[in-house]
Amino acid sequence: AQRVTQPEKLLSVFKGAPVELKCNYSYSGSPELFWYVQYSRQRLQLLLRHISRESIKGFTADLNKGETSFHLKKPFAQEEDSAMYYCALVTGGGNKLTFGTGTQLKVEL
Amino acid sequence: NAGVMQNPRHLVRRRGQEARLRCSPMKGHSHVYWYRQLPEEGLKFMVYLQKENIIDESGMPKERFSAEFPKEGPSILRIQQVVRGDSAAYFCASSPGQPGNSPLHFGNGTRLTVT
Repeated sequence: AQRVTQPEKLLSVFKGAPVELKCNYSYSGSPELFWYVQYSRQRLQLLLRHISRESIKGFTADLNKGETSFHLKKPFAQEEDSAMYYCALVTGGGNKLTFGTGTQLKVEL
Repeated sequence: NAGVMQNPRHLVRRRGQEARLRCSPMKGHSHVYWYRQLPEEGLKFMVYLQKENIIDESGMPKERFSAEFPKEGPSILRIQQVVRGDSAAYFCASSPGQPGNSPLHFGNGTRLTVT
């Protein structure tokens, strides 16, 4: 079955601390993975995609096929990083994005 | 570009009534997706449409739910004879191509409450 798992519902860190939001996937083919973010009172938007291998707002995510993971990382959390983060996988022959249940990141001062 | 527009933002319906949710994609986007978010759950795919065609409706409940994306006008998600379990936030997204090639742009959602 094609599935995305985000095991943490809530992750609370202090400002300046490292952040790692976990994402594991189940997919038989070559995966295409994304991280989407929803800031308070804003719409869901793309943060980054694994194929681009880029860093956005200090966040990076590396695809680990051996561990079937695509964890989102940032070395030093900022208050403005507080948001809901969703990991997503292209499935259905490229017809849809399957989302995880999301992780609420709370950065405390 | 105003982004993906969904209306209404909030919709209250009594059990048995019909709910019609509208989504206007971003200019230039011909791919539309509907997702449902139940309390405490993630976004669940419902349907993927291109102009006048349903491409993938594998996430749509078999009864009472239908979707369309006509040549002119917005995409419509229609729920007939609503029940309490239909209460959820419904999100529309659009893209210029398939999700593997193009990021999805989301609307603000319609929150449906069935009383």
